[in-house]
Amino acid sequence: RKEVEQDPGPFNVPEGATVAFNCTYSNSASQSFFWYRQDCRKEPKLLMSVYSSGNEDGRFTAQLNRASQYISLLIRDSKLSDSATYLCVVNTRGNLIFGKGTKLSVKP
Amino acid sequence: SQTIHQWPATLVQPVGSPLSLECTVEGTSNPNLYWYRQAAGRGLQLLFYSVGIGQISSEVPQNLSASRPQDRQFILSSKKLLLSDSGFYLCAWSPGRDTQYFGPGTRLTVL
Repeated sequence: RKEVEQDPGPFNVPEGATVAFNCTYSNSASQSFFWYRQDCRKEPKLLMSVYSSGNEDGRFTAQLNRASQYISLLIRDSKLSDSATYLCVVNTRGNLIFGKGTKLSVKP
Repeated sequence: SQTIHQWPATLVQPVGSPLSLECTVEGTSNPNLYWYRQAAGRGLQLLFYSVGIGQISSEVPQNLSASRPQDRQFILSSKKLLLSDSGFYLCAWSPGRDTQYFGPGTRLTVL
């Protein structure tokens, strides 16, 4: 089992749609969790941290389920500018492990 | 605020040539520094990390090396490039052992 697994997509959605990404991780000792966003040919940028209680930042909601070892990201009211690859990231013993990313394409 | 710089932005090098990529961080002191490579269609691979001047940990054995001559400077080198060294090289910094912030990257093509 890979350390961090994501559906590569692509997810093709119309503007205004709600889209959800899931990510699973294999190491139960993992301590903290993040979602990064990577635009084409650019560096990854931190989107949000993921807390056990769940957290929301505008149209973005992140959830963590430690028992099932999965993390989710929900994007509401998708914008064209949300088109990017979303990377699930897990911190295990001080090392960040990156998933390969889920590609999102928002169409007009 | 903290900023991270990398150069060059793009590089085309022949097989067997040397390599030197530089990364500098501003606005912080004693950061943890990281070098990653992202090959086409693949995830980020951690190459090296450093917790202080002269302290380098290698994650993947290969023909690359890293050095940290100053607190906020991290250099990635190779004596002889291979075709498989092509990729997107990203430097990152962290205030601790958690969230990391990436530089703009260097896109290396080895021909």
